Amino acid sequence: GAVVSQHPSRVICKSGTSVKIECRSLDFQATTMFWYRQFPKQSLMLMATSNEGSKATYEQGVEKDKFLINHASLTLSTLTVTSAHPEDSSFYICSAGGDTDTQYFGPGTRLTVL
Amino acid sequence: EDQVTQSPEALRLQEGESSSLNCSYTVSGLRGLFWYRQDPGKGPEFLFTLYSAGEEKEKERLKATLTKKESFLHITAPKPEDSATYLCAVLRQAGTALIFGKGTTLSVSS
Repeated sequence: GAVVSQHPSRVICKSGTSVKIECRSLDFQATTMFWYRQFPKQSLMLMATSNEGSKATYEQGVEKDKFLINHASLTLSTLTVTSAHPEDSSFYICSAGGDTDTQYFGPGTRLTVL
Repeated sequence: EDQVTQSPEALRLQEGESSSLNCSYTVSGLRGLFWYRQDPGKGPEFLFTLYSAGEEKEKERLKATLTKKESFLHITAPKPEDSATYLCAVLRQAGTALIFGKGTTLSVSS
């Protein structure tokens, strides 16, 4: 099956610092990648959609200057949380889609901002 | 407005006690319906994609079905390892983003 990895799996940082999360499709080319945020006991909230080589499309209410997304290749997308604050603490999950409609999800990254 | 509603929110079963999870949807042109399983602290794991009414798919103890208004995930003789949150999502014809329901959390006790 299609495998998507994320790194790091957990990160703890101080308020005001920036954090980068990587999402890789390991065995397929991902034309589209998605970034989600999930709060405890809630469903996934789509933050943005990115296509390789294009600017990301952000959902309403998501600050594009705070959550920088880069999709530089067909196997790698990165999410950078700039000037992180405690309210940015959450579970961030990426997904990747290739030739089919199915999205395959990464294992998630737990971000804690102190 | 496109919407996905899952019921029940939580379901407790004894091992071997079969049941069904429901996903009802309203969407302007369904392209596909997806079922995922999510364990605590992990990303969703893909289970099934359904495209048209009447379609059914099976995997081990799970069977997913689709009608024009809803989908069911049938769990036959569940085991404790089937305990997880099951997420339903739809994809519109004119779109790339999945619309998720809130999930059903299944607990199977031995």
